[in-house]
Amino acid sequence: SQQGEEDPQALSIQEGENATMNCSYKTSINNLQWYRQNSGRGLVHLILIRSNEREKHSGRLRVTLDTSKKSSSLLITASRAADTASYFCATGLSAGNMLTFGGGTRLMVKP
Amino acid sequence: GAVVSQHPSWVICKSGTSVKIECRSLDFQATTMFWYRQFPKQSLMLMATSNEGSKATYEQGVEKDKFLINHASLTLSTLTVTSAHPEDSSFYICSARTPALYEQYFGPGTRLTVT
Repeated sequence: SQQGEEDPQALSIQEGENATMNCSYKTSINNLQWYRQNSGRGLVHLILIRSNEREKHSGRLRVTLDTSKKSSSLLITASRAADTASYFCATGLSAGNMLTFGGGTRLMVKP
Repeated sequence: GAVVSQHPSWVICKSGTSVKIECRSLDFQATTMFWYRQFPKQSLMLMATSNEGSKATYEQGVEKDKFLINHASLTLSTLTVTSAHPEDSSFYICSARTPALYEQYFGPGTRLTVT
């Protein structure tokens, strides 16, 4: 069953604005990963954060993890139209084990 | 590196026929491959975990006799949808990992339409 819930389900912003997506999960995890999916395409791995980490950065991406609240957030700064996609969080219960995906957030960045 | 391919990228078949989807890790050896199904505007649902040389582990509610998985080599896993029906129409995505990696690398997906 789906472990993660994402909020919001859909987000529409103007180019240049920041986009924040949240993910909540139910059980203890080993790691949490964020993926992007363009319409009808496969998934692209964005960033992984381990359970003992609180924050990670990669370019315009910032991910936080709060294990006490069982939640994570993905921040995309200075968004671009090319960032338009669906974003999924996925939790791993152990290193390299199967991932359980959240429902996803559909992001639209208007030029 | 870490490229995963799927073939075909899309397929249309008639109800009652079988369809085979291939998942290949192109530049690494994948001891484990995962098969997911995704319906329109929904998330990915894990169908089964496939380990090279052993039987696949299916998730609850997934019929192993309908979705045959073979992971015969460290670079290839196949999913065969047997006696396909229109409700099997979906986007099927595979992923692969090696023991050293936390990340899974995903294939581009296969869109199956059963008429």
